[in-house]
Amino acid sequence: GDSVTQMEGPVTLSEEAFLTINCTYTATGYPSLFWYVQYPGEGLQLLLKATKADDKGSNKGFEATYRKETTSFHLEKGSVQVSDSAVYFCALTGVSGGYNKLIFGAGTRLAVHP
Amino acid sequence: GAGVSQSPSNKVTEKGKDVELRCDPISGHTALYWYRQSLGQGLEFLIYFQGNSAPDKSGLPSDRFSAERTGGSVSTLTIQRTQQEDSAVYLCASSLERGATYEQYFGPGTRLTVT
Repeated sequence: GDSVTQMEGPVTLSEEAFLTINCTYTATGYPSLFWYVQYPGEGLQLLLKATKADDKGSNKGFEATYRKETTSFHLEKGSVQVSDSAVYFCALTGVSGGYNKLIFGAGTRLAVHP
Repeated sequence: GAGVSQSPSNKVTEKGKDVELRCDPISGHTALYWYRQSLGQGLEFLIYFQGNSAPDKSGLPSDRFSAERTGGSVSTLTIQRTQQEDSAVYLCASSLERGATYEQYFGPGTRLTVT
């Protein structure tokens, strides 16, 4: 079945450092890809998405490009802030099992210190 | 407008008791989803509603778990004869319609602890 693999955390960075969180997926057909973020004490929020190959999703300085050839959707940000400290989840909805459920990676905790 | 709300926010119950978890989706959202977030299993899909029907129940872990949705709005997830492995945060999400182009909005979750 469909699955998502993302790099284990925690990731610890200094403020203004460059961030990459790797995400790869296994799916039949052409899934849509998402990054969700969970800030401390808050619910899951959609950060960005891409619905077809070569699409780039972007929001709040974060970017991710849908790479079909490498089945990847890596999250990047050029300069992280303390306020970016959160848990980041890569996810897909795909053909197998329908388009109506999200399949999540295990999550990557990011800690940014001043 | 109001987001997805869930109640209770926390629930502690004894092993073997039944519990009901409630989800109020965003008004007008036809699709509703339940997920579970636990330390051992991460974020897992449980069940999906379109209107009042549940075309995908594939994630319910056992027959102790059931869910219903009434009036195309409120949903209740019921766990019978709770076990310690049921301890988790139960998340509800809703979207305007089914399909990947429609964002799923998540509630704050219900933290269930089975003692």
